[in-house]
Amino acid sequence: DQQVKQNSPSLSVQEGRISILNCDYTNSMFDYFLWYKKYPAEGPTFLISISSIKDKNEDGRFTVFLNKSAKHLSLHIVPSQPGDSAVYFCAASGYNQGGKLIFGQGTELSVKP
Amino acid sequence: SQTIHQWPATLVQPVGSPLSLECTVEGTSNPNLYWYRQAAGRGLQLLFYSVGIGQISSEVPQNLSASRPQDRQFILSSKKLLLSDSGFYLCAWRFLGLVAFFGQGTRLTVV
Repeated sequence: DQQVKQNSPSLSVQEGRISILNCDYTNSMFDYFLWYKKYPAEGPTFLISISSIKDKNEDGRFTVFLNKSAKHLSLHIVPSQPGDSAVYFCAASGYNQGGKLIFGQGTELSVKP
Repeated sequence: SQTIHQWPATLVQPVGSPLSLECTVEGTSNPNLYWYRQAAGRGLQLLFYSVGIGQISSEVPQNLSASRPQDRQFILSSKKLLLSDSGFYLCAWRFLGLVAFFGQGTRLTVV
């Protein structure tokens, strides 16, 4: 039962263009969502988060959008840079989930110069 | 500031041998603690999480167990490793249900 899904295993984008990474969830009780970036053989690092009371949160080149009715969130990176190449994970948690934090399968982003 | 320590960084163990991975957090009290595994080419699978000392929730029935003997210590164990236990194991801590911070991970290879 995959409660958090990232259906695109990979994405390739040209440097300077926008990268859009998508994430869907099934549990309507999720109320807090996070995006992480991960390099091989390292732990994930936190990028940006959003609470379910918002539909957008922006931090520099990174913006997360939340569409609660569609149970969908996306991460926009503008402009994309070669250093953004990594695997990106979305994660979700809910107030009634007992502290559980569920991750998607990840999307590997490749930003080409 | 808060820090998380996870060791060892790499481990090669024979099938049937025991396992003990340790994770400790500094600079915070009563964190939520997590063990995840990333198998080759896959996502982050939640194995165990703990909201307090002695409180362990298991997500996936498997050959592993977890313990939290102290507030900021989380241990992942196995009595007998299987080949399928190979993977990249990650410990994380989280406070007040917000952002989770990860350790550097342990690459476990069972041979």
